Amino acid sequence: AQKVTQAQTEISVVEKEDVTLDCVYETRDTTYYLFWYKQPPSGELVFLIRRNSFDEQNEISGRYSWNFQKSTSSFNFTITASQVVDSAVYFCALTGNNRKLIWGLGTSLAVNP
Amino acid sequence: EPEVTQTPSHQVTQMGQEVILRCVPISNHLYFYWYRQILGQKVEFLVSFYNNEISEKSEIFDDQFSVERPDGSNFTLKIRSTKLEDSAMYFCASSGTRLYNEQFFGPGTRLTVL
Repeated sequence: AQKVTQAQTEISVVEKEDVTLDCVYETRDTTYYLFWYKQPPSGELVFLIRRNSFDEQNEISGRYSWNFQKSTSSFNFTITASQVVDSAVYFCALTGNNRKLIWGLGTSLAVNP
Repeated sequence: EPEVTQTPSHQVTQMGQEVILRCVPISNHLYFYWYRQILGQKVEFLVSFYNNEISEKSEIFDDQFSVERPDGSNFTLKIRSTKLEDSAMYFCASSGTRLYNEQFFGPGTRLTVL
């Protein structure tokens, strides 16, 4: 069975701090895809990044970076120099051959001024 | 930029009533999905739809639920006889045909069952 665990329920930081959101996954598929989505207070789900199981390169996009490690089944997300606008719930999700996204419980990030 | 749209944004209904939630997926996408999120909880997969038929469904998607693509643009979720526990945010999503294609989500419909 597939499973995504986001152990951090809530994180609170002060603006400009770096913050890492953890994601650990379980799957028996050899080909799978990992995603991060952001859900701001307005409620929509915003796609941030996709990673496939064959690509362990880390990625940086502006203040966002992602660290994918198959050896530990982790796909962690770091926000550098956090801003108040980063306050949201962040979801890690996993899909395999069946296309259904399996979601973690989400991490609620509060960035305080 | 193309986007998924959903109507209505908020639907209030009485228990036992039928509701239809509507979605317009991105025009060149061929896979469509419904997810739900009970307030404060995680997002849960309901159903995926391709080539005019259900390709995958979860245990949540029982006989009370149905999906349809009535024309070339709309994708609907029907709940035949709503229950209190159906109160949730319902998200529609669409994606391309590649397995790695990300799913793009609509803004959601908040369903409140009284």
